[in-house]
Amino acid sequence: NAGVMQNPRHLVRRRGQEARLRCSPMKGHSHVYWYRQLPEEGLKFMVYLQKENIIDESGMPKERFSAEFPKEGPSILRIQQVVRGDSAAYFCASSPGQGPNYEQYFGPGTRLTVT
Amino acid sequence: QKEVEQNSGPLSVPEGAIASLNCTYSDRGSQSFFWYRQYSGKSPELIMFIYSNGDKEDGRFTAQLNKASQYVSLLIRDSQPSDSATYLCAVHSGAGSYQLTFGKGTKLSVIP
Repeated sequence: NAGVMQNPRHLVRRRGQEARLRCSPMKGHSHVYWYRQLPEEGLKFMVYLQKENIIDESGMPKERFSAEFPKEGPSILRIQQVVRGDSAAYFCASSPGQGPNYEQYFGPGTRLTVT
Repeated sequence: QKEVEQNSGPLSVPEGAIASLNCTYSDRGSQSFFWYRQYSGKSPELIMFIYSNGDKEDGRFTAQLNKASQYVSLLIRDSQPSDSATYLCAVHSGAGSYQLTFGKGTKLSVIP
């Protein structure tokens, strides 16, 4: 299966801990997007990355959140000192190119629960 | 603030009927439009995309776009109980933008 892969699928963290979410894009895709879906809310864009570059992080909270997409390995979304409001489903999407003519395909998501 | 609006539903249709899902968007410069299906607890699955005014058909699905009215719709013919899900409308604003802006989705229930 060459689809977008995310792990872990479920993650439980206590308040104040760190959460690391991983995403491997679809084969042949080099563009990665992270979205967050809060309960009863729509999907919200967080950040767009290409290999070794953050292109657009306009949707990222200013503090505690960071993302990377290294030359080798998966993209990582890192949340430091998690709070209960961070509990959500975090989805990664990938596309083969950038722009309005490229579809974004979503991974299965990581469901983060902060206790 | 770019907005995408959808009727939250639930929209209930009998099996075999046509389901019509609607979406409006605020950014007149938006260039491409996507419909995703999301089952409860699952991730969004791309169904269709449309760039040009008019209709685009793919199997039982037809997407319709009217840029002048800033309106896009999805028709599902011969609805099946397996079509019961939340349908998300997403809009790409075009060059210089990288993200999809999503509506909150319309929940569709197909009654056997």
